[in-house]
Formats: sequence, structure tokens, C-alpha cells
Amino acid sequence: GQQLNQSPQSMFIQEGEDVSMNCTSSSIFNTWLWYKQDPGEGPVLLIALYKAGELTSNGRLTAQFGITRKDSFLNISASIPSDVGIYFCAGQLPNNNDMRFGAGTRLTVKP
Amino acid sequence: NAGVTQTPKFRILKIGQSMTLQCTQDMNHNYMYWYRQDPGMGLKLIYYSVGAGITDKGEVPNGYNVSRSTTEDFPLRLELAAPSQTSVYFCASSYSTGTGVFASNNQPQHFGDGTRLSIL
Repeated sequence: GQQLNQSPQSMFIQEGEDVSMNCTSSSIFNTWLWYKQDPGEGPVLLIALYKAGELTSNGRLTAQFGITRKDSFLNISASIPSDVGIYFCAGQLPNNNDMRFGAGTRLTVKP
Repeated sequence: NAGVTQTPKFRILKIGQSMTLQCTQDMNHNYMYWYRQDPGMGLKLIYYSVGAGITDKGEVPNGYNVSRSTTEDFPLRLELAAPSQTSVYFCASSYSTGTGVFASNNQPQHFGDGTRLSIL
């Protein structure tokens, strides 16, 4: 019930295309986070969302905290080769500091 | 700033051996976390700590122990290594201004670069 379902598992896109990925759960989360992980490195925070309905942008990235608090999406516009990597959603459970991570979306951008 | 530093970066253990994965942070964060990441999977929380002297189990604590004697350090101990513990381990830290043990206004976590552990 507290697991995050992240989709799609992988994406192969052409440089310049837009990308969309999402996470859903049957549980409510207080915070939604989106991370990017490059090979051999730890995850790096992209966007943090703290309120239901919140829509936040960071350059070409836009993420939203679903109104039901059970989902979030991340959009990347005008993709470039350095966007390649694995993107993870994460949610903080209510009333504690336990975190759940999605299984990741592996993004490949073809020049 | 160094941020979150994990050592070692790589280690190979034999079944039944023990070892401690070190994690230290210099950001004066009160919260620290240990995760494991299996191939093609997201991170799973092993243990976390909301401050020195306080630790709590996460989603997958079995086979591990932690301690938090200082704000800076949060070592993870494997007492009897098993093949199922082969994974990449990530330490993270964050800062919370909330009150009480369970705070809802944590700042996002900062991650170390990971320790790749193989048990043969």
C-alpha cells in the first residue's frame, strides 16, 4: 500500500522532444521529490513539492504534486543529451520521516 | 563543503564476515538515512536517525544495525554478511526545523556517492 508505482520504466526519445513520467500510490504522501541519478553516483535532487496541487518548475523541468496527494508527475521539455539518466520519484510518508522511492525511469536521449 | 561522504566506495566480503559502512556529513543536518539500491530498483530505506542517540527502522532493517553517537556520523553495520546484502548502499542527510521526533517539514535529502558491496 505504501509502494510507489513509477512509469514508464524506460524511454527512448529524440533530442528536442518533451518527456513525461509519473508516480502513483494508493497511500498519501506529505512530500514528493524527484531525483536524477547518473551511473556510479548518488541521486541528485531536481524538484521538491510540499503541498497538494503545487506546480513547480526548475529550468526545463516541471513537476506537480497531485491534488489527492497520491501522485506526482515530472515533465522535461526540449530534451538534450545530458538529460540521460535514471529519474526517481520519492515520497515522504505522513507523520514520520520514512521515505519510499519509485523503481525509476531510465531515459535515453538520441542526438 | 564535502557534503555527505561515504567510505569505502567498494568492498568485497565473504559470507559471514562483518563490516561497517561509514557515513559522515558536515552540513550540521539532524536527520540521516541509510538506503540500499538493488540493480534496476529504487532505493529502500534501511534505518534512519532524527538526531544523535535516536535511530529507527525503515522498510528493510533486517541484517543491519546502526548507531548515531554524534550529529556528523551514522555508521551502518553488517554483522553476518549474506549474499542477499549485495547491493549499493547510499547514505543521506537532511535538516528539519520541526518539533518532536516525527517532523513533517523536512528539507530534501542530500546523498553520498554510495558504497558498492559484493558478498561472495
